[in-house]
Amino acid sequence: GAVVSQHPSRVICKSGTSVKIECRSLDFQATTMFWYRQFPKQSLMLMATSNEGSKATYEQGVEKDKFLINHASLTLSTLTVTSAHPEDSSFYICSARDGGETQYFGPGTRLLVL
Amino acid sequence: GEDVEQSLFLSVREGDSSVINCTYTDSSSTYLYWYKQEPGAGLQLLTYIFSNMDMKQDQRLTVLLNKKDKHLSLRIADTQTGDSAIYFCAESPTSGTYKYIFGTGTRLKVLA
Repeated sequence: GAVVSQHPSRVICKSGTSVKIECRSLDFQATTMFWYRQFPKQSLMLMATSNEGSKATYEQGVEKDKFLINHASLTLSTLTVTSAHPEDSSFYICSARDGGETQYFGPGTRLLVL
Repeated sequence: GEDVEQSLFLSVREGDSSVINCTYTDSSSTYLYWYKQEPGAGLQLLTYIFSNMDMKQDQRLTVLLNKKDKHLSLRIADTQTGDSAIYFCAESPTSGTYKYIFGTGTRLKVLA
């Protein structure tokens, strides 16, 4: 149980385009989903907290117009990187909370912006 | 501050025990977690401990919690090459936001 998927697992795009990453909880309803960014050999940096049906809460320094988050259902949250640039290249990981305190993580999406 | 610290590297021989340490700062944390991350993958929940416990054992894994010193450790018995990965501890403060504070991660290398 408690499986979280992400799609795509890997994406390469041109600078200036937008990329959408999906995060799904497969066997539970996620009251809250979290989006993280991880740079090579570093820990996870929380970008935003997403609650179903309400606006995401962004961490300090994260541009909400750059990283659009939609949490339209209890099993799906999406992160859209708008007008992507090479500095947005990173590993993006989502997690989902099932109502308890534990977060279950997706496998991550590697984004490369050329 | 909200720093969760871990040593960066640990190298052990196959069959030995590994002990990964973590120092956290928020004494109000209700749960403390250990996650494993293999290269290019997400985080796998290994185990967690509730703050009113001192120890938890789950097969090869033993978690020790010293609340007085705010120290958490993960012991892996009979370490195997498949245990090579990055291990993150995380605390879940009782702030109502359910956000984690992650440690810096410990890279475990198991030598055959």
